Amino acid sequence: AQSVSQHNHHVILSEAASLELGCNYSYGGTVNLFWYVQYPGQHLQLLLKYFSGDPLVKGIKGFEAEFIKSKFSFNLRKPSVQWSDTAEYFCAVNERRAAGNKLTFGGGTRVLVKP
Amino acid sequence: NAGVTQTPKFRILKIGQSMTLQCTQDMNHNYMYWYRQDPGMGLKLIYYSVGAGITDKGEVPNGYNVSRSTTEDFPLRLELAAPSQTSVYFCASSGLAGGSYNEQFFGPGTRLTVL
Repeated sequence: AQSVSQHNHHVILSEAASLELGCNYSYGGTVNLFWYVQYPGQHLQLLLKYFSGDPLVKGIKGFEAEFIKSKFSFNLRKPSVQWSDTAEYFCAVNERRAAGNKLTFGGGTRVLVKP
Repeated sequence: NAGVTQTPKFRILKIGQSMTLQCTQDMNHNYMYWYRQDPGMGLKLIYYSVGAGITDKGEVPNGYNVSRSTTEDFPLRLELAAPSQTSVYFCASSGLAGGSYNEQFFGPGTRLTVL
């Protein structure tokens, strides 16, 4: 079965610091990749997605992610975080061959940005 | 578009009670999903549906039932509530874009406590 690992459970950093969150998945076939964000008390919102093409994907709010197929990774980055980036971040993977467009989620990374 | 809506927002149940969590989407999406979110565990798929009249089990279906009589609605039923079902429940939907799968859109969630 597909599994998705987010190695950092909690990250604390100061405003203007750079952020990188790791995501690795186990499936060796063709995948679609997503990063979702959940701000405190809110539902999940899509940050960015990768389906094909340029492996460096740019999303909303200055986030980007790089798909490295050989490493089964899809790490999320932001060069300079703001206090408003405090949230929980989820990596998710969809196996294209699987029925139903199902997503497998990582365990999430809680990010706290100190002002 | 309201997107994906869920009711109720909060609910407290006693052990053994039953209830239905409602989910409606107005985006004409074929695919709908129910997840539960537990701290540090990410989101786990309970049930999903690829269209009206078609449902299938996800990763953690025990203790739950679903139905999909219309494209818009995908209710989740808990028959005999147990403390292990205390969680936050999210409904999501997705459609096709250009013949390919698109991202999932999430509702605001239902926080359920079973005492």
